[in-house]
Amino acid sequence: DSGVTQTPKHLITATGQRVTLRCSPRSGDLSVYWYQQSLDQGLQFLIHYYNGEERAKGNILERFSAQQFPDLHSELNLSSLELGDSALYFCASSAQGLTGGEQYFGPGTRLTVT
Amino acid sequence: QQQVKQSPQSLIVQKGGISIINCAYENTAFDYFPWYQQFPGKGPALLIAIRPDVSEKKEGRFTISFNKSAKQFSLHIMDSQPGDSATYFCAASIVIEGKLIFGQGTTLQVKP
Repeated sequence: DSGVTQTPKHLITATGQRVTLRCSPRSGDLSVYWYQQSLDQGLQFLIHYYNGEERAKGNILERFSAQQFPDLHSELNLSSLELGDSALYFCASSAQGLTGGEQYFGPGTRLTVT
Repeated sequence: QQQVKQSPQSLIVQKGGISIINCAYENTAFDYFPWYQQFPGKGPALLIAIRPDVSEKKEGRFTISFNKSAKQFSLHIMDSQPGDSATYFCAASIVIEGKLIFGQGTTLQVKP
């Protein structure tokens, strides 16, 4: 158990809908990273938040957005969902803040868009 | 330049054998190289990591070998066990940036 929690574990929704994925980092970790894992693209970095502020964006679609709240939990919002958005979404947290380092992954949310 | 290339895609090893997975990178600014282990239905778990100022790091049966001049690093699993059967990912990052760039993964099967 990494200490990172994610909810829900599974999510099935229809095209065009909007969903919110939630992540709670390990106690004391200020950094939260979101990654997408799909069969064709592998594990890809989406976005990084540090202590409530966005620090870096990767290959994140404009339909996707994220936030990190004062209690340090983070939410990834996916809207206007398409079939191709079906994937595993992981968050990871890091104790080293802005300087990265060891990242610990949550169990993931499996999103299925039908 | 941001890519990390991992090979082989899949690997079958007999119990007790040595499993070797290789990765290569282009970006010389990378300064942190972790390996992750992922079981089906689980998140990636940090296994071992190395910084480029050392050429080898060993933790139990797992060893990372790092060749800075060749821009390559590899994971060696000694005395491989059926419980090691999983997908292994190498990754690289620039520590100050934080984001991990992952290889495509290697599915390891250890036969009893």
